[in-house]
This record gives sequence, C-alpha cells and structure tokens, in this order.
Amino acid sequence: DIVMTQSPDSLAVSLGERATIKCKSSQSVLYSSNKQNYLAWYQQKPGQPPKLLIYWASTRESGVPDRFSGSGSGTDFTLTISSLQAEDVAVYYCHQYYSTAWTFGQGTKVEI
Amino acid sequence: QVQLMESGGGVVQPGRSLRLSCAASGFTFSTFGMYWVRQVPGKGLEWVAVISDDATNKYYADSTKGRFTISRDNSKNTLYLQMNSLRVEDTAMYYCAISAAASSWGQGTLVTVSS
Repeated sequence: DIVMTQSPDSLAVSLGERATIKCKSSQSVLYSSNKQNYLAWYQQKPGQPPKLLIYWASTRESGVPDRFSGSGSGTDFTLTISSLQAEDVAVYYCHQYYSTAWTFGQGTKVEI
Repeated sequence: QVQLMESGGGVVQPGRSLRLSCAASGFTFSTFGMYWVRQVPGKGLEWVAVISDDATNKYYADSTKGRFTISRDNSKNTLYLQMNSLRVEDTAMYYCAISAAASSWGQGTLVTVSS
C-alpha cells in the first residue's frame, strides 16, 4: 500500500497567520497518462465526517474558501491556509486515490 | 445534491454479524464505484472495501478480507457491507464514499463491538 506521511502532527497558528501542512507519499501518485496527481485534502471537525477541500492536488472543491490551496506533484504535497480563521480549527488529512487501496495520512491537528 | 446516508450500525458482541447500508441520491449511482472507509474514534482513516460500478470487481483491506462482503443494488441505489465474525478492533465509524476525485462521503454509522 502507498504510505502517506504528514508533517507536522499538530500545528498552532495565530489568527490571520499562514498554516502549512506537508504530505509525502511512499510512491508517486502522478498518473502519467493524464498528468494528474491523485491526491486530495480533507478537513475533519469533531463529530463530523471528513469534508473534501482539494482534489487533483490543487483543485479547490466548490464552496471551499480561497484561503485554502494545495500544491505539489509526484510524492510531495502541501496544503496551505493563507490566513487562519477560527473556523479552520480541525484535523486535516491528505489522501491518495491513485491506488484502489485508498490510504490516508495520519492527520495534522491545527489549533489557534 | 449528492447525498449518502449510512445506516445499520449499533452495538454487537464479538463474533456476531452486522449489515450496513448506504442509501445514495443526487447522482447516477450505477456509474460510480463505491468505498467503505472506517475511522476508529479519535484515530485515522482506513479503507475497508471497494466495489466497481457494476459489482464485478470487489477488493478488501487485509484486515477485513474473508470476514466482510461489499455489495450493491443499483436498482435501489444502495451500497451494503455485510460484516461477519466481528472483532473488538472493528469498532469504528463506518463511512460510504464515492470512488471519484471529488469524492462525497456520508455522515457515517457507528459500529461498536463489545461483550
């Protein structure tokens, strides 16, 4: 299975400051035929299911604020929250769907 | 809009069985593969099983192979997970999810395996 490793495990950021989460996959999730990275980012708040933020590594899901952005290719990816808001406190997961055996990072807890 | 509604969770003793359902609406169910994903409370996410759009292909995580069976009824827009020989470590929230880049997930149904 493709192993997804996030860093850091937790992150405390001041309101209005930037938050950056890294994700590394044990093998490339870039599909050569369509040049797409099969990588998504999810946000999960307590008592709620994961909510899709980003797919294809950098495509923002409809309705997601533009302070959330994704970047990277191959095996190294980044989720950036440009100006942290109180409602962004959550656990964030990266996820590869390159393989049928979906795998997820261990999660990064973002706090104020 | 896309909706996925899981049901069937509950408290069950080790070794017993449970069947989960996921009712889908708002999209053409029969054209998408579907996943079950679980999450132990307070822990990370683990895929459980996946089924192709026409149910001809099914794959399972090693932890569930031989005990769980994924199936679907495209005429009812419903996904199922038959869980047999349940273990304490199967205790988790179970989510159904669409096999797509922009994947939608349900709210989940909680399965607790305890004596």
